[in-house]
Amino acid sequence: DIQMTQSPSSLSASVGDKVTITCRASQNIISHLNWYQQRPGKAPKLLIYTASNLQSGVPSRFSGSGSGTDFTLTISSLQPEDFATYYCQQSYITPPLTFGGGTRVEIK
Amino acid sequence: EVQLVESGGGLVQPGGSLRLSCAASRFTFSSYWMHWVRQAPGKGLVWVSHINSDGSRAKYADSVKGRFTISRDNAKNTLYLQMNSLRAEDTAVYYCARDGGYDTPDVWGKGTTVIVSS
Repeated sequence: DIQMTQSPSSLSASVGDKVTITCRASQNIISHLNWYQQRPGKAPKLLIYTASNLQSGVPSRFSGSGSGTDFTLTISSLQPEDFATYYCQQSYITPPLTFGGGTRVEIK
Repeated sequence: EVQLVESGGGLVQPGGSLRLSCAASRFTFSSYWMHWVRQAPGKGLVWVSHINSDGSRAKYADSVKGRFTISRDNAKNTLYLQMNSLRAEDTAVYYCARDGGYDTPDVWGKGTTVIVSS
């Protein structure tokens, strides 16, 4: 199975900050990498698919990049509603679909 | 708006069984693969199972293989997860999700909670 490792596991940031979350795959997954946002007590929401494609309705302050084994989710200017946990997920070699351990973004 | 609504969760004793349902609406359910993903309390997301659009093929995580069965009724726009021989470690919120293509869950339900405890 492909292992997905996210860093950091948590971070504190202020409204307006630029935030970067990284995700590393245990082997080459080309660009088959998705990002999800999960607010407390809510279901996950797809933000970015195939590494860099913004899901419909997702604000443009979210962006994704990377290929191979190393990927990044960037929030250009953090908004109050962005405080949540973010997960990466590989869709290259399945099953199983595998998720990273999550990055919790907290208010500084 | 596309909608998925899970039901059937609850408290069950170890070794017991439970069947989860996921009612789909406002999209052509029979055209999509579907997933179940679970989340233990305070933990991350874990994929459980998926099924193809006509219900003829299904795959499972090793942790549930032989105990859980995914199925669907396209006439009723409903996805199911039959869970047998439940263990404490199966305690989680269970989400159903639509596959948007290439094993990318793009629409998620709100989840149903399963607690396995004596």
